[in-house]
Amino acid sequence: DAKTTQPPSMDCAEGRAANLPCNHSTISGNEYVYWYRQIHSQGPQYIIHGLKNNETNEMASLIITEDRKSSTLILPHATLRDTAVYYCIVRGTTSGTYKYIFGTGTRLKVLA
Amino acid sequence: SQTIHQWPATLVQPVGSPLSLECTVEGTSNPNLYWYRQAAGRGLQLLFYSVGIGQISSEVPQNLSASRPQDRQFILSSKKLLLSDSGFYLCAWTRGPGRDETQYFGPGTRLLVL
Repeated sequence: DAKTTQPPSMDCAEGRAANLPCNHSTISGNEYVYWYRQIHSQGPQYIIHGLKNNETNEMASLIITEDRKSSTLILPHATLRDTAVYYCIVRGTTSGTYKYIFGTGTRLKVLA
Repeated sequence: SQTIHQWPATLVQPVGSPLSLECTVEGTSNPNLYWYRQAAGRGLQLLFYSVGIGQISSEVPQNLSASRPQDRQFILSSKKLLLSDSGFYLCAWTRGPGRDETQYFGPGTRLLVL
């Protein structure tokens, strides 16, 4: 399973875009990149995922480099409620199921 | 729509006591189910996963066990708790290979072993 590397913490001003980077240099061709976030004392919340192309939904945008070795999660207009730990995960497949290997993530703090 | 439930929400147990945490999923059939543990200030560690009734795969040797007695029920157990079993336990589900493989998490159970 590919491993991901994320900065331990980031700050972002409220109303500005938050750009969270992730390196996954050992990713395989059929492995997806997933992003989750975890607000204190809650279960992780799914944000977005992608394989090769950039993706956008109501929560965020995901930009994946052409070589797929890194990606960036973009929260276009960060609010105080976006303060959380953000996990970038590369999903592998083992024995017919999917294993999500979580790292320690990026602690994003949105400042008023 | 699908929902995932975990109980209890919090639990304080003495060392050496047994443990049973339950997770159920509604609104889907034949899900893949997962148990994770998160120590304070750390990332999530996958403990067990199950692709069907009675089928359990263990990721990390430890003091815990898991069972899946019904299609949408996943149970985490221990015969004798250790101090190191304290943490935040999360259950998750996916629809399984070939379908939407996004993993969805429950609200978690916070366990404190004293």
